[in-house]
Amino acid sequence: GQQVMQIPQYQHVQEGEDFTTYCNSSTTLSNIQWYKQRPGGHPVFLIQLVKSGEVKKQKRLTFQFGEAKKNSSLHITATQTTDVGTYFCAGRTQAGTALIFGKGTTLSVSS
Amino acid sequence: ETGVTQSPTHLIKTRGQQVTLRCSSQSGHNTVSWYQQALGQGPQFIFQYYREEENGRGNFPPRFSGLQFPNYSSELNVNALELDDSALYLCASSLEGQGSRPQYFGPGTRLTVT
Repeated sequence: GQQVMQIPQYQHVQEGEDFTTYCNSSTTLSNIQWYKQRPGGHPVFLIQLVKSGEVKKQKRLTFQFGEAKKNSSLHITATQTTDVGTYFCAGRTQAGTALIFGKGTTLSVSS
Repeated sequence: ETGVTQSPTHLIKTRGQQVTLRCSSQSGHNTVSWYQQALGQGPQFIFQYYREEENGRGNFPPRFSGLQFPNYSSELNVNALELDDSALYLCASSLEGQGSRPQYFGPGTRLTVT
């Protein structure tokens, strides 16, 4: 079945350093969504990418969707302690309705 | 806040029992999806309800069942509970039928099976 993989599983950075998480799908996706889950919280929608090669920015966050629509990345510039949490990518195939989540990348930031 | 509510917040059940979890979707949303999130894992899709009908199902056995009501609220029922059913159960509402839409998650129900 369809799989969505994320690396790394954990990342610890010093405040001010950059952070990147990568997402790879075993099948071509119709779109990809990114979510953030704070410790003890629930996933919160960040963004959706639909077009091949699409790049979107939200302040210090940059999201990319690969040309083949099978991979994506989230890059955070100059991390802050408020960025702490687990970042999930989630993709849908062309045919299915299921949103398949990766296992997430847990980011910790020390000041 | 997303406007999606879930009840109860926490629940402890014994193996073999049955449980019903409830979800009220965000106003204006017509679709509810249910997910199981084990500790340290990503949410796993259980099923989705669109206009009161099941509209997609993940790799979960039939003892996981659901309902969606005319007001778009939803229930998740799990029969014959097993220890591995212990997890955070999340519902998410969305406005489907017009392409892929963001999922707005509720706070979840933490189920512990002993």
